[in-house]
Amino acid sequence: DAKTTQPNSMESNEEEPVHLPCNHSTISGTDYIHWYRQLPSQGPEYVIHGLTSNVNNRMASLAIAEDRKSSTLILHRATLRDAAVYYCILRGYNNNDMRFGAGTRLTVKP
Amino acid sequence: GAGVSQSPSNKVTEKGKDVELRCDPISGHTALYWYRQSLGQGLEFLIYFQGNSAPDKSGLPSDRFSAERTGGSVSTLTIQRTQQEDSAVYLCASTPPPGGYNSPLHFGNGTRLTVT
Repeated sequence: DAKTTQPNSMESNEEEPVHLPCNHSTISGTDYIHWYRQLPSQGPEYVIHGLTSNVNNRMASLAIAEDRKSSTLILHRATLRDAAVYYCILRGYNNNDMRFGAGTRLTVKP
Repeated sequence: GAGVSQSPSNKVTEKGKDVELRCDPISGHTALYWYRQSLGQGLEFLIYFQGNSAPDKSGLPSDRFSAERTGGSVSTLTIQRTQQEDSAVYLCASTPPPGGYNSPLHFGNGTRLTVT
């Protein structure tokens, strides 16, 4: 199974941009890169996903390396409510291939 | 609209008892997942249902764990003869059709199971 590697934790200041990295060196050509986040005492929520091109939505941006072996989730202006665990997941061709790692715990300081 | 609903939100049970956890997916969602999350850990995949296909049970940790999905909607996760190591938050998620790797998961807020 393709796996991802993320830092255990990161810190950011409020209203500053945050770049959350993810390495996935064994990614296959049909793997989509998905990001979810989990706020305290809640289930994970979908953030963004992409295949090859960079993606933007109202929550974040996803920058995907040209060789697809890494990606970066970008929060343009961190708020205190963005403090959460962020998971980077490769979702393969098989619909049930959704295995979560330990994620990155983001702390946002006021 | 209504999201994924899980009940109960909290469950305390004695070691050796059986428990049933319920998941109501979003109406019209065809795929349903169960995960469990131990304290401070990531999510552990348990089982996956897709329409009328046979479920993927590859993540169930032992034969004490089972799940069913009736009528393609509500799902029940059953744990028999609970053990203390079963204590965790059990999360359910569903995805809309047509499914596949381009459909995001919608999670419930989980059931916190404590086995004493």
